[in-house]
Amino acid sequence: DAGITQSPRHKVTETGTPVTLRCHQTENHRYMYWYRQDPGHGLRLIHYSYGVKDTDKGEVSDGYSVSRSKTEDFLLTLESATSSQTSVYFCAISDPGRLNTEAFFGQGTRLTVV
Amino acid sequence: KNQVEQSPQSLIILEGKNCTLQCNYTVSPFSNLRWYKQDTGRGPVSLTIMTFSENTKSNGRYTATLDADTKQSSLHITASQLSDSASYICVVSLRLTGANNLFFGTGTRLTVIP
Repeated sequence: DAGITQSPRHKVTETGTPVTLRCHQTENHRYMYWYRQDPGHGLRLIHYSYGVKDTDKGEVSDGYSVSRSKTEDFLLTLESATSSQTSVYFCAISDPGRLNTEAFFGQGTRLTVV
Repeated sequence: KNQVEQSPQSLIILEGKNCTLQCNYTVSPFSNLRWYKQDTGRGPVSLTIMTFSENTKSNGRYTATLDADTKQSSLHITASQLSDSASYICVVSLRLTGANNLFFGTGTRLTVIP
């Protein structure tokens, strides 16, 4: 398995509290992504990073922020969690510069906002 | 607009039967196309990856085809097994750096019944 780890794997939090999810990789891939997956919607991009301190928004970025201070770690923060952010969150890594590179996914974090 | 569409949304087949899943895309500039299998509660795992010059690629009972002219791909599953029950996701990559380069279909949910 590719070296990509998400933490925590499960979290229950209250509305209005801040939450940070962590994605850690040991593959030295340049790109890192955060997706959320909800029934009927497939994987939707929240934010992505194409290098240290280089990040950009995806299609569902409202209410989320990210940081990437080093190659290995990509943090997703919900500043003030809402019930609509209850979802399964997946981190992915890839390196477009490598021939035929594929994207590798973490095991997911199930977040419940009550 | 870069889009990836999959059909059918869901499929139920009897164990031992074959099936074919479809993926159409309008993504440019195209780099490669991948099929992923996602078991319930787990992250997607790559089955095949194809570049524009490849027409067919097999991985055991899974065979993917790509027609770069019509921008269509299919995933054929032979002699289905109960363990094939999962979601199958088509992902198309762009030849881009410094921007999001992964585009996802919403997946086909396959259920194999005894």
